[in-house]
Amino acid sequence: AQTVTQSQPEMSVQEAETVTLSCTYDTSESDYYLFWYKQPPSRQMILVIRQEAYKQQNATENRFSVNFQKAAKSFSLKISDSQLGDAAMYFCAYKTGTASKLTFGTGTRLQVTL
Amino acid sequence: DAGVIQSPRHEVTEMGQEVTLRCKPISGHNSLFWYRQTMMRGLELLIYFNNNVPIDDSGMPEDRFSAKMPNASFSTLKIQPSEPRDSAVYFCASRTGEHSEQYFGPGTRLTVT
Repeated sequence: AQTVTQSQPEMSVQEAETVTLSCTYDTSESDYYLFWYKQPPSRQMILVIRQEAYKQQNATENRFSVNFQKAAKSFSLKISDSQLGDAAMYFCAYKTGTASKLTFGTGTRLQVTL
Repeated sequence: DAGVIQSPRHEVTEMGQEVTLRCKPISGHNSLFWYRQTMMRGLELLIYFNNNVPIDDSGMPEDRFSAKMPNASFSTLKIQPSEPRDSAVYFCASRTGEHSEQYFGPGTRLTVT
């Protein structure tokens, strides 16, 4: 069974600094997708970034980028120039290429301080 | 686009009552998912539909839970009878194809007293 592990229950970063959230996964599949979702206090689940396993290039969306290490099964999220609005729960998620089900990690709560 | 719409946003009910949660997926999306989020178990997939047909309901906790999708623009998740342990946030999500990401609704916070 596929599992997603987020080993950091909570993280803190100062405004304008950079923070990295960790995620590892376990799979025997070769075709899969990885996602980071953000859940602010409003509880809306918002897609931050996605990565296709077959792509070697790390995905980037403005201040958000990933470090995808396929051999190590690691998928970390880097947030640059952190803003107060980045404070939220961040969930790492996985799905195989053909399956519909998303498997989520337990989440990392990110706090942004002044 | 209005995004995925869920109603109600909050529901408080007494144990034993029937609860119906509603979802309108994004227009043009052909897959719809129901998730439950609790502190203890995190985010769990309950059931999903492709083209209005239930594909996998293995996550539905028990017979008290049922879900329907009578057409491409509407789905319901019903709990009858409700129990306090059903208290959670229930999310609906939709997507266009198997390689696309899922877009989530704002969730329904259910409290069963």
